[in-house]
Amino acid sequence: GENVEQHPSTLSVQEGDSAVIKCTYSDSASNYFPWYKQELGKRPQLIIDIRSNVGEKKDQRIAVTLNKTAKHFSLHITETQPEDSAVYFCAAIMKSSGDKLTFGTGTRLAVRP
Amino acid sequence: DTAVSQTPKYLVTQMGNDKSIKCEQNLGHDTMYWYKQDSKKFLKIMFSYNNKELIINETVPNRFSPKSPDKAHLNLHINSLELGDSAVYFCASSQVISRGELFFGEGSRLTVL
Repeated sequence: GENVEQHPSTLSVQEGDSAVIKCTYSDSASNYFPWYKQELGKRPQLIIDIRSNVGEKKDQRIAVTLNKTAKHFSLHITETQPEDSAVYFCAAIMKSSGDKLTFGTGTRLAVRP
Repeated sequence: DTAVSQTPKYLVTQMGNDKSIKCEQNLGHDTMYWYKQDSKKFLKIMFSYNNKELIINETVPNRFSPKSPDKAHLNLHINSLELGDSAVYFCASSQVISRGELFFGEGSRLTVL
């Protein structure tokens, strides 16, 4: 079926280093790719999204890149801080499944002070 | 005021019981969702309603029955609870079906003993 794969499942970085999370999707018609951050015990919240008509989007220390040909997109966090520690989810619209937003399996990011 | 609110936040019950979780959004959105997050943090869509009409109904046991009395409310009723139903259930809403930002409620942690 249509799915979104996300790697790595866990990621530990030193404060100040960069973190990269990668996702691949199966539906070539997908055109919307959001990223959500879920802090411990909290709700998921949108941090950045990208649509298929652009290849990259940046918001301060966070950037997302999209390669439609290869069907993968990535989240880049630079100058990581302890408050970046959370579970991050990528997602993609599955057009073939009635515009269903399907989430990746999540990446637990730990930023060591 | 909270944008998406769900009650109760915690629910502990015995196997075989029937329980309900309520959700309300005051954002004026047309679309509402129920997601299940298991112990591994996987976020799986269960149902989606657009303007009170069922749009997405994933492979969910028919013990789970959503009800949308109006577009601002989406409740989830679960019959004959099983141990595997233990999870955090998130309600969410969006302005347009499966596009744009999803606004999540705080989650309802259901524990079945």
